Amino acid sequence: GQQVMQIPQYQHVQEGEDFTTYCNSSTTLSNIQWYKQRPGGHPVFLIQLVKSGEVKKQKRLTFQFGEAKKNSSLHITATQTTDVGTYFCAGRGGNNRKLIWGLGTSLAVNP
Amino acid sequence: DADVTQTPRNRITKTGKRIMLECSQTKGHDRMYWYRQDPGLGLRLIYYSFDVKDINKGEISDGYSVSRQAQAKFSLSLESAIPNQTALYFCATGGLTDTQYFGPGTRLTVL
Repeated sequence: GQQVMQIPQYQHVQEGEDFTTYCNSSTTLSNIQWYKQRPGGHPVFLIQLVKSGEVKKQKRLTFQFGEAKKNSSLHITATQTTDVGTYFCAGRGGNNRKLIWGLGTSLAVNP
Repeated sequence: DADVTQTPRNRITKTGKRIMLECSQTKGHDRMYWYRQDPGLGLRLIYYSFDVKDINKGEISDGYSVSRQAQAKFSLSLESAIPNQTALYFCATGGLTDTQYFGPGTRLTVL
């Protein structure tokens, strides 16, 4: 079945450093979404990418969808302590009725 | 997201007890989901419903059952709780765009 791999599992950075998490699917995706879960909180939708090669930005966050629509990345420039949390990608492929979730990347930021 | 509510927020119960977790939404979405979150295992789908009459098993449905009482309500039951069902449970809703909106979660402990 369809699988979505997310790396790294954990990342510790110093405040001000950049951070990137990667998501790779075993099959072509119709779309990919990114969510953020703060410690003690619930996942919150960040963005959805649909088009091949799509790049979207939200302030310091840059999201990319690969040309083959099988991979995606989230890059945070100059991390802040407010960026702490777990970032999940989730994608739906082909005729699959449901999203397949990556295991998430937990980001810790040292002030 | 205040539009998706879950009750109870915390529950401690004993092995063998029947437990019901409830989810309500005011977003008007047809699609509703139940996830389970365990450390290091990400979000695993238990059941999902695309309509009041369309209920489907997810990847870990054994030991769980659901009821979609109305468009706005989706309940998860543990018929006979066991300790390895101790976890954080999330309800989510969504529309046709695949974007999902999560409730605050229910922390369940089975002793």
